[in-house]
Amino acid sequence: SAVISQKPSRDICQRGTSLTIQCQVDSQVTMMFWYRQQPGQSLTLIATANQGSEATYESGFVIDKFPISRPNLTFSTLTVSNMSPEDSSIYLCSVAFLLDSKETQYFGPGTRLLVL
Amino acid sequence: QKEVEQDPGPLSVPEGAIVSLNCTYSNSAFQYFMWYRQYSRKGPELLMYTYSSGNKEDGRFTAQVDKSSKYISLFIRDSQPSDSATYLCAMSAADRGSTLGRLYFGRGTQLTVWP
Repeated sequence: SAVISQKPSRDICQRGTSLTIQCQVDSQVTMMFWYRQQPGQSLTLIATANQGSEATYESGFVIDKFPISRPNLTFSTLTVSNMSPEDSSIYLCSVAFLLDSKETQYFGPGTRLLVL
Repeated sequence: QKEVEQDPGPLSVPEGAIVSLNCTYSNSAFQYFMWYRQYSRKGPELLMYTYSSGNKEDGRFTAQVDKSSKYISLFIRDSQPSDSATYLCAMSAADRGSTLGRLYFGRGTQLTVWP
């Protein structure tokens, strides 16, 4: 399996500011994903980030609010822009990886964001 | 109707009990079924992975998929306090041999195993 790290692990931000979350993988992967996990809710996919192409956003998420970069096969960033208290959540990156010749997804430890 | 339904619990059992966790789903196209375990303040960790219907066993854990009923289960035998976590089911509609793409998650069931 892949080892995935995220920075920062947590942050407290003021409304109207932006935060960039970094995701680093210890091996090259084609597909990376960004999820949001709100209290009591299921994980919600924000976007899929493939290296060398624009991120693909899910319904309800837009690039202006959640710009994503994917400069290489081991790294991605998610920016939460112009934050409001409703953006308080855990943000998780995941990578698609082969397990017993079958593809599955592994998750990073998450970034806990609190917006005041 | 959500695509994946999962009772959030909380579920509290004594050590040694058999635990049954379940999810139902509405999309008959789902082919891959996964269970993740998430400890407090950690990311989800892949626990079990099955394709299509049937059972899969790994140590104290057994995953069951009943596609005719659109129902999946995770059984934990001889539960331990270290099993205390939130368990999330996840599913994909990808064809066999294709990339998984988007996963659809349940809300997670919070489990506490007390000594």
